[in-house]
Amino acid sequence: SQQGEEDPQALSIQEGENATMNCSYKTSINNLQWYRQNSGRGLVHLILIRSNEREKHSGRLRVTLDTSKKSSSLLITASRAADTASYFCANAGYQKVTFGTGTKLQVIP
Amino acid sequence: DTEVTQTPKHLVMGMTNKKSLKCEQHMGHRAMYWYKQKAKKPPELMFVYSYEKLSINESVPSRFSPECPNSSLLNLHLHALQPEDSALYLCASSQPTSSYNEQFFGPGTRLTVL
Repeated sequence: SQQGEEDPQALSIQEGENATMNCSYKTSINNLQWYRQNSGRGLVHLILIRSNEREKHSGRLRVTLDTSKKSSSLLITASRAADTASYFCANAGYQKVTFGTGTKLQVIP
Repeated sequence: DTEVTQTPKHLVMGMTNKKSLKCEQHMGHRAMYWYKQKAKKPPELMFVYSYEKLSINESVPSRFSPECPNSSLLNLHLHALQPEDSALYLCASSQPTSSYNEQFFGPGTRLTVL
C-alpha cells in the first residue's frame, strides 16, 4: 500500500503542551504536506516540506523530513484547545496525493 | 476567493435513487478531485480532472459518474448506490502544473445510502 502510517493514532494533551506526530511511508517521499481536519469537515493545508528540505517552520508548527527513512514529523508547540482535530500527512506527487492514516489530537483546556 | 463549496451538505438516498453532488471553486484552479472518506480513515482518491479532462480514475465503480462541465464546476452523479457507499465525499482543487500540489478542500457532502 502507498498509504502513509501515522503514529500515534490518538493523542491527548493539556493546553500549553507540545504535540508531536510522526508519519512514515513505504514508498519514496516526493513533497510532504500536512493537513488538518476538524471533525467531519474538509481538510486544511498546513505546511509543505519539499524533498530537498530537512526542517521547516510556520508559526507554532515545525515539520521535519528524513527522505532516507521515508518519514516526517509534525510538532505543534504551545497547543491550544482550537488545535483539537485530526492531522494527516500527505505524500504529494503530480496530480496525486496519498494521505497517511491520521493522528487524532485532543487538546484539553 | 479561496473557497471550495460543496452542495448539498447532507444527502440521504435510497439504493434506487439518482442524485448528484456538486462542487465549485473560483480560484482559477485547473485540477479538481473527488475523494471518499469513511469514518476514522484518511481520504481516498476517486477521480482527478485536469483541464476539464478526466486524468485519473482510481478504479471506482461505475455507479459513481464524474463530470466536469467547466473549469469551475465538478459534479459526481450517483446511481444505484450501496449502503457501504455511505461516507463523506470531499471535493478539492489545485493548480495542475504544480508538483507540490497543495489542495484546497471543500467542507464535504455527508452521504447516507439506505
